[in-house]
Amino acid sequence: AIRMTQSPSSFSASTGDRVTITCRASQGISSSLAWYQQKPGKAPKLLIYAASTLQSGVPSRFSGSGSGTDFTLTISCLQSEDFATYYCQQYSGYSLTFGGGTKVEIK
Amino acid sequence: QVQLVESGGGVVQPGGSLRLSCAASGFIFSSHGMNWVRQAPGKGLEWVAFIRYDGSNKYYADSVKGRFTISRDNSKNTLYLQMNSLRAEDTAVYYCARPVAGTLDAFDIWGQGTMVTVSS
Repeated sequence: AIRMTQSPSSFSASTGDRVTITCRASQGISSSLAWYQQKPGKAPKLLIYAASTLQSGVPSRFSGSGSGTDFTLTISCLQSEDFATYYCQQYSGYSLTFGGGTKVEIK
Repeated sequence: QVQLVESGGGVVQPGGSLRLSCAASGFIFSSHGMNWVRQAPGKGLEWVAFIRYDGSNKYYADSVKGRFTISRDNSKNTLYLQMNSLRAEDTAVYYCARPVAGTLDAFDIWGQGTMVTVSS
């Protein structure tokens, strides 16, 4: 199975910061990558798919980039509602896998 | 509106069985592949299984292969997960999730989840 490695696993940031989360695949996955946001006790919410396509209704401060093995999620100006855990997910092939998650906490 | 509602979770002893259901509404269920995804308490997300729109193809994570079976009834707009030979490590919230393009893909619609606890 393709292994997805996210970094960092957690960090603290302030409202208004620009933040970047990275995700690395153990082998090339083209652009078959999604990003999710999850808040405690809730189901994940799709933010980005196909590495850089913004899901309908998601604020434009979220953006995704990358292809092959290296990907990034950027939040251009962190808002209070963005403090959450973020997961990447690859969907190349017949076995789907998620990264371990990145928890964004308030500084 | 588009909605997925899981049910069937509960407490079961190791080695036992449980069947989860996911009722779909607000979209053409028979046109979409569907997935099960789980999350152990305090842990990350793990994809469990996928079934094609017509049930003709099914794929499983290695951790559940041979023990879990995904199925669907398009006449009832319902997805199922039959879980046998349950282990403590199967304890998790189980979500059903719809892929964006109907195949192996990102998941744009999720249910609220149903908790499965495997314990003696």
